[in-house]
Amino acid sequence: GEDVEQSLFLSVREGDSSVINCTYTDSSSTYLYWYKQEPGAGLQLLTYIFSNMDMKQDQRLTVLLNKKDKHLSLRIADTQTGDSAIYFCAENQTGANNLFFGTGTRLTVIP
Amino acid sequence: DTAVSQTPKYLVTQMGNDKSIKCEQNLGHDTMYWYKQDSKKFLKIMFSYNNKELIINETVPNRFSPKSPDKAHLNLHINSLELGDSAVYFCASSQGAGMDSPLHFGNGTRLTVT
Repeated sequence: GEDVEQSLFLSVREGDSSVINCTYTDSSSTYLYWYKQEPGAGLQLLTYIFSNMDMKQDQRLTVLLNKKDKHLSLRIADTQTGDSAIYFCAENQTGANNLFFGTGTRLTVIP
Repeated sequence: DTAVSQTPKYLVTQMGNDKSIKCEQNLGHDTMYWYKQDSKKFLKIMFSYNNKELIINETVPNRFSPKSPDKAHLNLHINSLELGDSAVYFCASSQGAGMDSPLHFGNGTRLTVT
C-alpha cells in the first residue's frame, strides 16, 4: 500500500488543544483508526470512525474525517502531560487484510 | 489479565543465531498478526494468520516464519539473524479476518542483533 502520512512532531502547552493530522490513501477504506503508543508499550486503540461519518466525539477526543481530501484529524481537548505519546492513524485498505499505519506523530506536552 | 502477551520483552543476540518470540492472546480472536516497528517508529505488517490461512508480506525475508500451534498463539521464528533485523516486533490480534475490527497489540519485543 501507499504511505499514510502524518507530521512527525507536535508540541503543545498543557491545557491547550492538540490537533494531529493524517492523510490516508484509500478512499474506499471502511474504518479509520487512531492508536496511541506510550514509551516502551504497544499500540492502544484510542478511537475509530466509520467512513460514512464526518465527525466522532469521545470525551476529550474529536475525530474529523474529510473523505474528499482523504484527511483525518484527531483533536485532543485540554491536553495533559499524560497525553505525551506517539499517535498513529491507520486505515484498512481495500483488498488488504491488515491495517496500514501512518508514520506516527510524536506529541510532546509542555507543562 | 493481559489480552495480548509477548515474550520475551527484550532479546539481545548475535548475528547468525536463531531465535523465537512467543505471542498469546486470550481475547478469543480469530486473526493474529506480526508487525515490525523500526527505529523511526514506522510500523509494517509482516504476517497475518486466520484459520490456518497465512498471508505473508512479500517483503519479509523467508528467514522469518510464523508458527501457530492453536488459535490463541502465533509465534515468530527468525533464522540466521542479521543486524537489520533489530527492531521492535509487535504481535496483534483482531476478531475476524476483515479489518472492520480493531487490532489489539501486545507490548512488543525489542530485538537487538549485535
